[in-house]
Amino acid sequence: DAKTTQPNSMESNEEEPVHLPCNHSTISGTDYIHWYRQLPSQGPEYVIHGLTSNVNNRMASLAIAEDRKSSTLILHRATLRDAAVYYCILRDLDSSYKLIFGSGTRLLVRP
Amino acid sequence: DARVTQTPRHKVTEMGQEVTMRCQPILGHNTVFWYRQTMMQGLELLAYFRNRAPLDDSGMPKDRFSAEMPDATLATLKIQPSEPRDSAVYFCASGGSHTEAFFGQGTRLTVV
Repeated sequence: DAKTTQPNSMESNEEEPVHLPCNHSTISGTDYIHWYRQLPSQGPEYVIHGLTSNVNNRMASLAIAEDRKSSTLILHRATLRDAAVYYCILRDLDSSYKLIFGSGTRLLVRP
Repeated sequence: DARVTQTPRHKVTEMGQEVTMRCQPILGHNTVFWYRQTMMQGLELLAYFRNRAPLDDSGMPKDRFSAEMPDATLATLKIQPSEPRDSAVYFCASGGSHTEAFFGQGTRLTVV
């Protein structure tokens, strides 16, 4: 399974943008980049995913490097509710469908 | 509002007892995952199913754990016999073929 590398923790101020980086230098051509987050005492929840192009949805934006070896999850205006552990995951939807979680980035949001 | 339902939410049991955790996936989802989360190991994939068939259970201790899908509306994870080191939060998730996975609220298991 291709691995991802994320910082252990990051801090942000409320209402400011947050850029959460993820390195995945061994990504293969059929790996999709997924982001999930886990709020305290809850199960993980899907945030966004992409293959090659940048993606936007109501929760966040995903910026994917041209060589696909890194990506950045962008929260445009952090709120206190966005404090969570964010997981960057490579998922091969062509062959295995496995969803393997790493250690993620713990995001702290300061009021 | 479709959601993955897990029961029980909390379970305290004595070492050696059988534990059964249940999961009702979202109707129409054909992929079901079982995870275990602890502070030390994080989220570990135990097993997953596609169209009720087990695709991979390599993350599961085979001697005591078993996972099944008796029908499309029910997935079960059994531990027999349970041990204190099995104490964790167990999550079930379901998804479609190429879509995101939806997680349940988890079962918090304590084995004393």
